[in-house]
Amino acid sequence: DAGITQSPRHKVTETGTPVTLRCHQTENHRYMYWYRQDPGHGLRLIHYSYGVKDTDKGEVSDGYSVSRSKTEDFLLTLESATSSQTSVYFCAIRDRGRETQYFGPGTRLLVL
Amino acid sequence: AQSVAQPEDQVNVAEGNPLTVKCTYSVSGNPYLFWYVQYPNRGLQFLLKYITGDNLVKGSYGFEAEFNKSQTSFHLKKPSALVSDSALYFCAVRDYRRDDKIIFGKGTRLHILP
Repeated sequence: DAGITQSPRHKVTETGTPVTLRCHQTENHRYMYWYRQDPGHGLRLIHYSYGVKDTDKGEVSDGYSVSRSKTEDFLLTLESATSSQTSVYFCAIRDRGRETQYFGPGTRLLVL
Repeated sequence: AQSVAQPEDQVNVAEGNPLTVKCTYSVSGNPYLFWYVQYPNRGLQFLLKYITGDNLVKGSYGFEAEFNKSQTSFHLKKPSALVSDSALYFCAVRDYRRDDKIIFGKGTRLHILP
């Protein structure tokens, strides 16, 4: 699992509230990614990071922001959660040496 | 921009028969291609990848995939399916000369019938 943890693992929140999801890795990987998984859409890239303070948008970045102030943590923030952001969120790292992604266990988010 | 298509939402195969899960891709440059598997209520697990070299790549659990540049395909195959292969399979692509984005397909649910 490449030492990837996500917190919280489950969250229920109300529309309009801010939500922050955390991805933590222990192996000093440079590249980190946030995806959301929805039925019929597969995995869609939200944002990714290629280093501390270096981030870029993915396919579905609207309504999301990210921050990476240290190598081990990559935070995903929903500034004002909407019901359309109900999803399962996966964090991943990319092992550049093996050119392989490893995924965290996921966070199940329900926005009421 | 790169993209991935998995044309089948679901594939049903009898146990012991060969299986194929299809994937086609689109990139402006050069592809790195991947297959991942997701078992119920689990995260994604890496199966195999194509980086360079032989067009036929072998991966975990007896799976293999064939890179076909002219058809822009990377189909996943296994000679003899097991019931335990039933899962959700994702194909992914990275345009390695242009981008760090890794884009996934919508997934194909594989049912192996006993």
